[in-house]
Amino acid sequence: EAGVAQSPRYKIIEKRQSVAFWCNPISGHATLYWYQQILGQGPKLLIQFQNNGVVDDSQLPKDRFSAERLKGVDSTLKIQPAKLEDSAVYLCASSLDPRSSYNSPLHFGNGTRLTVT
Amino acid sequence: GEDVEQSLFLSVREGDSSVINCTYTDSSSTYLYWYKQEPGAGLQLLTYIFSNMDMKQDQRLTVLLNKKDKHLSLRIADTQTGDSAIYFCAEKPGTYNTDKLIFGTGTRLQVFP
Repeated sequence: EAGVAQSPRYKIIEKRQSVAFWCNPISGHATLYWYQQILGQGPKLLIQFQNNGVVDDSQLPKDRFSAERLKGVDSTLKIQPAKLEDSAVYLCASSLDPRSSYNSPLHFGNGTRLTVT
Repeated sequence: GEDVEQSLFLSVREGDSSVINCTYTDSSSTYLYWYKQEPGAGLQLLTYIFSNMDMKQDQRLTVLLNKKDKHLSLRIADTQTGDSAIYFCAEKPGTYNTDKLIFGTGTRLQVFP
């Protein structure tokens, strides 16, 4: 099966600019996650979608970050305006519906490396 | 609270066993996972263990869980240079409508010939 697809692989922007990342999950996976991985740290959850609804966005800096999954498949994550501390790898992951499968491991894409200068 | 801790570095000789340790704080965690991350890549699921198990073996990988001490370890037998990567421990908190994972900071494993 095809894995989680993300684009672009790399992005360099100046602070105060905006940027968007795209993710296509594994076919049939109802749950989609965006994680932020700062250099030297483990991934931290930003937002979780169940189909096209938000399950958890408690760690999303909503003053500058937004995400959507309008048709319950692809998702975009946007940062506007970017700050220096947003430099990180943004990882998208997907899993089967946790309500139907007690353990449904997360499958990760290769991520988008963002550098804010 | 939710917190996962790991040592930062481990260096082993090729052919030896590697043991990567992890401690977590959420006693209601249901599943615990080990992921591997190679340079420039995403996280690859290696193995997982259900919280009511003590041990799980999968080829060269052995996971040990001490639930009383909230300690998890990953043993890699016959470590190879291709095993060089960052290994993340992750816990799934004890809620039933989410697969949210809490990750540790990662352990960088370096294998030398």
